[in-house]
Amino acid sequence: QQQVKQSPQSLIVQKGGIPIINCAYENTAFDYFPWYQQFPGKGPALLIAIRPDVSEKKEGRFTISFNKSAKQFSLHIMDSQPGDSATYFCAASYGNTDKLIFGTGTRLQVFP
Amino acid sequence: NAGVTQTPKFRVLKTGQSMTLLCAQDMNHEYMYWYRQDPGMGLRLIHYSVGEGTTAKGEVPDGYNVSRLKKQNFLLGLESAAPSQTSVYFCASSYSPLKGTQYFGPGTRLLVL
Repeated sequence: QQQVKQSPQSLIVQKGGIPIINCAYENTAFDYFPWYQQFPGKGPALLIAIRPDVSEKKEGRFTISFNKSAKQFSLHIMDSQPGDSATYFCAASYGNTDKLIFGTGTRLQVFP
Repeated sequence: NAGVTQTPKFRVLKTGQSMTLLCAQDMNHEYMYWYRQDPGMGLRLIHYSVGEGTTAKGEVPDGYNVSRLKKQNFLLGLESAAPSQTSVYFCASSYSPLKGTQYFGPGTRLLVL
């Protein structure tokens, strides 16, 4: 119940494409769903986050879609660029400890 | 501001040796975390702290100990290293109630032979 399942494991798109990364969870107590971006040799960094009271959140070219009834959420990257090539992690948290449960990550490669 | 820093960046240990990884943050954050990252397994929480002098177990605490004697520092200890502890270790910090906004350090790559 504590897991966050992420797919696909890897994704290759051409510049301008719209990669979509999906995550699913079981624990209905989760109340915060961030996405982290990690470049090789660096620590993860917060990209965008959503709470379950909204169905979509957009920040620049990055959009989270949230389906509370299906217990799924996804990250869409519009007009993807080679600089978006990184590993993306979804995560979920609940309660007041700020602990995060991470998905297993998606390695995205965007070719020119 | 340096943010979250980790030392060392890379270390090679022999089985049975001990070592301490140091994490420091200059953002006055209450919460600090230690994760390990392994291929195909994402980031798994080892231990965390909700304030100076406090520690708690995360998802994979066995074989590790931690201490938070000062608010800005969080130490991760391996008393008797095992090859299964070969991993990349990340420290993070956050200031609740900015829920979910954890700031990560650059990582420590540890190889246990």
